[in-house]
Amino acid sequence: GDSVTQMEGPVTLSEEAFLTINCTYTATGYPSLFWYVQYPGEGLQLLLKATKADDKGSNKGFEATYRKETTSFHLEKGSVQVSDSAVYFCALVTGGFKTIFGAGTRLFVKA
Amino acid sequence: NAGVTQTPKFRVLKTGQSMTLLCAQDMNHEYMYWYRQDPGMGLRLIHYSVGEGTTAKGEVPDGYNVSRLKKQNFLLGLESAAPSQTSVYFCATQNSDTQYFGPGTRLTVL
Repeated sequence: GDSVTQMEGPVTLSEEAFLTINCTYTATGYPSLFWYVQYPGEGLQLLLKATKADDKGSNKGFEATYRKETTSFHLEKGSVQVSDSAVYFCALVTGGFKTIFGAGTRLFVKA
Repeated sequence: NAGVTQTPKFRVLKTGQSMTLLCAQDMNHEYMYWYRQDPGMGLRLIHYSVGEGTTAKGEVPDGYNVSRLKKQNFLLGLESAAPSQTSVYFCATQNSDTQYFGPGTRLTVL
């Protein structure tokens, strides 16, 4: 079945460091790909998405490119801030109404 | 717009007690979902609904029941709570391919 695999955390970085969180997927058909973010004590919220191969999703300085050839959707940010500390979930949707989430990667950013 | 709201925010139950979690949305979305989130386990889908009057089982439905009598509300029931149901419960709606989450209910079963 469809699945999402993302790097285990926690990831600990200093402020202004470069961030990469790896995500790969397995899916039949042509999924849409997502990154959701969960801040402490809150529900998940959409960070960015891409709906077809080679699309780049971007938001709040975060970027991810839909790579069909490597079945990947890695999340990157050039300079992280303390306020980026959160749990990040990679996800995919195929067939319309079910979202498959990865296990989540916790990011800690130190001042 | 309130978006997705969940009631209550916190609850402590004793084993064997029952309760209902309420999810309400004002976005007119057809699809609604109940997830549980446990440390190190990510999100697991309990039940979902693709429209008013419909419900379906997700990945971990045992011990839970749901109802969707009105489009805007999706109720999650625990008939006889067990300590294994201690978790944070999230409701979500979906429009097109994007999900919108409520703030969560933290449930402890003693």
